[in-house]
Order: sequence, then C-alpha cells, then structure tokens
Amino acid sequence: AQSVTQPDIHITVSEGASLELRCNYSYGATPYLFWYVQSPGQGLQLLLKYFSGDTLVQGIKGFEAEFKRSQSSFNLRKPSVHWSDAAEYFCAVLFTGGGNKLTFGTGTQLKVEL
Amino acid sequence: GAGVSQTPSNKVTEKGKYVELRCDPISGHTALYWYRQSLGQGPEFLIYFQGTGAADDSGLPNDRFFAVRPEGSVSTLKIQRTERGDSAVYLCASSLRGQETQYFGPGTRLLVL
Repeated sequence: AQSVTQPDIHITVSEGASLELRCNYSYGATPYLFWYVQSPGQGLQLLLKYFSGDTLVQGIKGFEAEFKRSQSSFNLRKPSVHWSDAAEYFCAVLFTGGGNKLTFGTGTQLKVEL
Repeated sequence: GAGVSQTPSNKVTEKGKYVELRCDPISGHTALYWYRQSLGQGPEFLIYFQGTGAADDSGLPNDRFFAVRPEGSVSTLKIQRTERGDSAVYLCASSLRGQETQYFGPGTRLLVL
C-alpha cells in the first residue's frame, strides 16, 4: 500500500544549529513530493516540491530537500535554524497513479531552543 | 493575488446539527480539494473537484458528508447529523488544473459538542 512516514514526531534543535527532517514513502514509482509547514492556527504553507529533474531542490525560508530514489526518501534540511522556524512540518506525496490527492505524513513538530 | 479563503474560521455546533463550510479557491484554479485534519495528525483527503464535478470522493467517511461546487468556483462542504468525532480542522486547497501544487486555505476549525 502507498504510504508516507515521518519517523520523528518531535525534534528540538538550538537556534543556529542545522536541521534535518526525515520523510520516507512507499510506492512503486516516483511520486510528486512536497514539504509544507504549519504554524499554530494557520493553514499549510508550501516550502518546496519535487516533480522531476535535479534531485536537490531549494525552497523558501532557506530550506532545501533531497530526493533519493534508492532510499525512497525526501528529507528536508536547513543549515541554520531560526527561532521563527518553530512549527509543524508535513511531508506530502502525490502518488501519480492514484489521482490528484495528497497523502500526508503525520508531521514533525519542531521546537527551537534559544 | 488572493489566496484560498475559508469561512467560517471557527464553528461550534451541537451533536446532530447540520453545518456548512465554505471554500473560495484561488481565481482561475479549476481543481479544488477538501481535507480533514484531526488533532495530532496530518491532513486526510476527503474529496476532489475538477470544475463542477467531483472527480474523486473516495475520502468522504460516510453519507453524512457531501460537497458541492455548482459553478466551478466556490465549494461548500456539508455535514449532516454531526457527531463529536467530526470535530477537526477542515482544510480546502486549490490547484491550477490537477496534478500540480495545491495551495491551502487557513482552514475551518469545527467543534461538535
């Protein structure tokens, strides 16, 4: 079955430290991949996306993600975290053979220590 | 330009009542989606419209849930005989045609007492 896994429910990092949030999917082909961020009481804001081409994609707010086909992963990274990055992060996948619906992971809650 | 808007932002109702949630997509977007996000979970797909028709309603949990998009723009999600388990944030998204980026609204937080 098609699925999306975010193994880390909570992550705490110090401001200025690097960040990596993990995302794995289960699918027989290459899906379309997205990272969204959700601040408390807010909707989902798109950080970045991968459809095809260069496997390292740049997004907004200094985030990047790398698609690794061999590992079925699409991990989100940021070299230096700011206190304002504290939020919940969702990996989402559009399985190209399954219509247009997004399948989301359960999210990773990021806390930033000053 | 204006993003996806949803009204109301919050809705409190009593068990058994009927509610309507409205979504106004980005102008020109033909595809519209409804998702439901329960506490501590990621959003879950409910229904997808392409134009006026529901192209995929496989995520609607039961026949108490219904959605319409009569003119291919604004959509209304309708929930009959609400139950406490319906309490969640209902998110709407739109995209230009189909398999591209979905842009989300701020959501409607529904609380069923």
